Amino acid sequence: SQQGEEDPQALSIQEGENATMNCSYKTSINNLQWYRQNSGRGLVHLILIRSNEREKHSGRLRVTLDTSKKSSSLLITASRAADTASYFCATESGGSNYKLTFGKGTLLTVNP
Amino acid sequence: EADIYQTPRYLVIGTGKKITLECSQTMGHDKMYWYQQDPGMELHLIHYSYGVNSTEKGDLSSESTVSRIRTEHFPLTLESARPSHTSQYLCASLGQGSGYTFGSGTRLTVV
Repeated sequence: SQQGEEDPQALSIQEGENATMNCSYKTSINNLQWYRQNSGRGLVHLILIRSNEREKHSGRLRVTLDTSKKSSSLLITASRAADTASYFCATESGGSNYKLTFGKGTLLTVNP
Repeated sequence: EADIYQTPRYLVIGTGKKITLECSQTMGHDKMYWYQQDPGMELHLIHYSYGVNSTEKGDLSSESTVSRIRTEHFPLTLESARPSHTSQYLCASLGQGSGYTFGSGTRLTVV
């Protein structure tokens, strides 16, 4: 079964607005990662947050992690049309288990 | 999206054919993975390898097989393709202290 579940499944916003996507997971993790996928392409790694971190920033991206609630959020500020893509969270479980388990993804559409 | 290459990008073949999807990376990563992505966007891990001569089945049962004879190559083979194998196949590798690097994928259609 899937570890991560993104919410919402689809999000449509105007250019310049902020976009927030949420992810919930079920078991303990080493880290949580966010990826972007443009239509028909592979996934691109955006940001990794470790289980002992609560917040991380990278450019216009802000990720939070709440291990007590087993949830994470990805905030994209000042969105652009080029941000249109599917966004996935993925978890790497505890121990030496170097496998990523993905959620179902959020399809973000940024309208110009 | 570079340093990990998948070929072909698109493949349409008939039922019963044997096919091999190629995946190569130039980063010297030990850990490599194959994911299958269905039209609803979910990714499912079907195979992984932690090094040469090491291969394991993933969380989703698959009729495909893999091999890891060299660090840089991790090909996936379907002995007899069926329409149910139609999907996008994504290869990835993992280095130290970084996220996973994905290839551009192979979109397979079995007719």
